[in-house]
Amino acid sequence: ELQLVESGGGLVQPGGSLRLSCVGSGFTFDDFGMHWVRQRPGKGLEWVASITWNGGHTDYADSVKGRFTISRDSAMNSLYLQMSSLRLEDMALYYCAKGGVANAPIDFYFDLWGRGTLVTVSS
Amino acid sequence: DVVMTQSPLSLPVTPGEPASISCRSSQSLLHSNGYNFLDWYLHKPGQPPQLLIYLGSNRASGVPDRFSGSGSGTDFTLKISRVEAEDVGVYYCMQALHSPPYTFGQGTKLEI
Repeated sequence: ELQLVESGGGLVQPGGSLRLSCVGSGFTFDDFGMHWVRQRPGKGLEWVASITWNGGHTDYADSVKGRFTISRDSAMNSLYLQMSSLRLEDMALYYCAKGGVANAPIDFYFDLWGRGTLVTVSS
Repeated sequence: DVVMTQSPLSLPVTPGEPASISCRSSQSLLHSNGYNFLDWYLHKPGQPPQLLIYLGSNRASGVPDRFSGSGSGTDFTLKISRVEAEDVGVYYCMQALHSPPYTFGQGTKLEI
C-alpha cells in the first residue's frame, strides 16, 4: 500500500529544536522527490522544503531558510526535517508529500501525502 | 513569489448541483512545453490532502470524472459536475512553475 507516515512532532519551547521523520512504503522511495508542507492553525497549506530524488538539491521557504534542514535516507526509506530556532509561527501540522514523477529534476505535483505530525511551539 | 488567488472562499452547494472554483495566478503558469503547472488538491476533514488535478486538466488516479480542471496562463477553474456529500472539504490550487517556492491559494471551503 502506498503510504507516508510522519512522526517526531511534539511540544517544544521557542528557540528549541525538533526532528521530524517520514517513512515511505509501497513505492521506490529513491526515485521520487519529497517535500514538507505545513498547515498552521486555522490557515491554509504552506510549502516548507523540498529535496530531489537523489538528495542532490534542496530548497526552502524563506521563512525557514537557515533554520530547517531537509534530508533523506534511502536505506531507511525516510525523509527528515531538522528544525531549529523554532518560533511561535512554526507551530503547525507538518505533512510530508511525494513528488509525482520519478527521477524528475523538479516536481510539478504532489501525488501522495501523509497524515501529518503536529508541532506545538509554546513556553 | 507567485500569488494564487481563489474565489469564492466559501461555497455552499446542494448535492447533485454543479460547483465551480476559480484560481488566478499573478504570473503565467504556462510552460514552454505547453503544459500549465497548476494543480488542484482537496483537503477533507481529518484526512491528508489529496491530489485531484495536475498540469491544469489531468485527473489524478482514482479521481471521479465529475471533477475537471480547465484554464491556461493565469486563469484556471475546477468544476464539479454534480456535487456529492463526500466532496466536502477545502480545495486548494497550487502553482509549480515558478518554484521554489510552490505557492497555494487561500483555499475554498465547500459545504453542503
